[in-house]
Parts: sequence; structure tokens; C-alpha cells
Amino acid sequence: KAGVTQTPRYLIKTRGQQVTLSCSPISGHRSVSWYQQTPGQGLQFLFEYFSETQRNKGNFPGRFSGRQFSNSRSEMNVSTLELGDSALYLCASSLTSSGYTFGSGTRLTVV
Amino acid sequence: EDKVVQSPLSLVVHEGDTVTLNCSYEVTNFRSLLWYKQEKKAPTFLFMLTSSGIEKKSGRLSSILDKKELFSILNITATQTGDSAVYLCAVAFNDYKLSFGAGTTVTVRA
Repeated sequence: KAGVTQTPRYLIKTRGQQVTLSCSPISGHRSVSWYQQTPGQGLQFLFEYFSETQRNKGNFPGRFSGRQFSNSRSEMNVSTLELGDSALYLCASSLTSSGYTFGSGTRLTVV
Repeated sequence: EDKVVQSPLSLVVHEGDTVTLNCSYEVTNFRSLLWYKQEKKAPTFLFMLTSSGIEKKSGRLSSILDKKELFSILNITATQTGDSAVYLCAVAFNDYKLSFGAGTTVTVRA
């Protein structure tokens, strides 16, 4: 059974640019959530989607957005990148909203 | 404000030692508590705890939850160098999010 797939694995972007990250959940999982991991702040919740609807959003600026498609794949977008957006972005899929399986993440570096 | 606090932040042990990691929480809307191991990238799932006093075991790892005192412990017995990792505690809420502690870095020396 395939796990959670995140693409790309690594990204280098320049300040002011925008970026789109992709997450394919485990087959049959309809909930996808996104987390930002930094050395200073640890793992922080960005947002969660279920059946194409955002059910919860963390305390991040509006530059961070996401969406989910009918096949449960999800994308997150960060616009007007700042140096502080450099982080590991992790996606998790869930069947029951209790057990979460994480992908390997996308390492974003903003220069 | 919801809080998940892990202790210690880091520890160094020798192979064969037993390790006890702590996770305390002050949250509303509690659904379950989860433990993860993170070595390089993806946190890998260890345990999910929902009921007090019921120990979950997997090989040399075990965990228990106390919902009255609001904490959980993760034990690792007969540690091996492959147990070196960051161990993360997370609380799952009824509103579909996880709140993580800062993690405990465990280093096992041969």
C-alpha cells in the first residue's frame, strides 16, 4: 500500500516568489492536513481538508493557502515568499481523524 | 491556549539502557494522544492512546496515558543505536488538528 507522497522533495525559491507543494494521501484517506516544521517553532498546524472542504486552519498569514481535489490530492501554496518561510512542509493523511500518517515532506529554502 | 510539553528536551544513553520520555498537556477538545519517531524526514507513527491506564506495547517500546493527570509516558527498554531519533508527542483534537510538543532528542551511544 503506497504511503503519503509529497512532491517535490526539495525546492529553492527567491524571496517574493510563490510556490506550490503537492500531497497525495494514502488511497482511501479523505483527510489531508499540512504542517510546517522549523527548528525554532517545531511542528505547527497549517490547515486540514476533507472532501475538498477546509475544516480547520492554523494561525498563519493569508499568504498560506491550500486546496483539495476530488481525488483527495491536496496542494498548498505560499505566495510572496519570505526568508522565514524556509521550513520542512509535511503533509499527513488520515482515515479517522485520529491516526495520521505523514509524508516525507518538502524542504523549502527561500533565499 | 493549548499546550503540549515534552521532557526532557534531550538525553544521551548507552545501548541497553531504559529511557522514559514524558509528555504533559493542557488542552481543550482532547481526542487522543499520539507518539511519533522522527529520524530524517517523515515522523513515523508509534502509538495512539485514547483511554487512561491501558498500556500499549510494540516490541521494546511501550506507552501509557493518564487522562486525569494529563500526561503520557513513552518507555524504550534495551535501547539500541537505531533508537536514536527525535520522539514527538502530539495531541489530536476534535477539530481535526494535531498540536505537537517540541520533541525529545534521544541519542543512544554504542
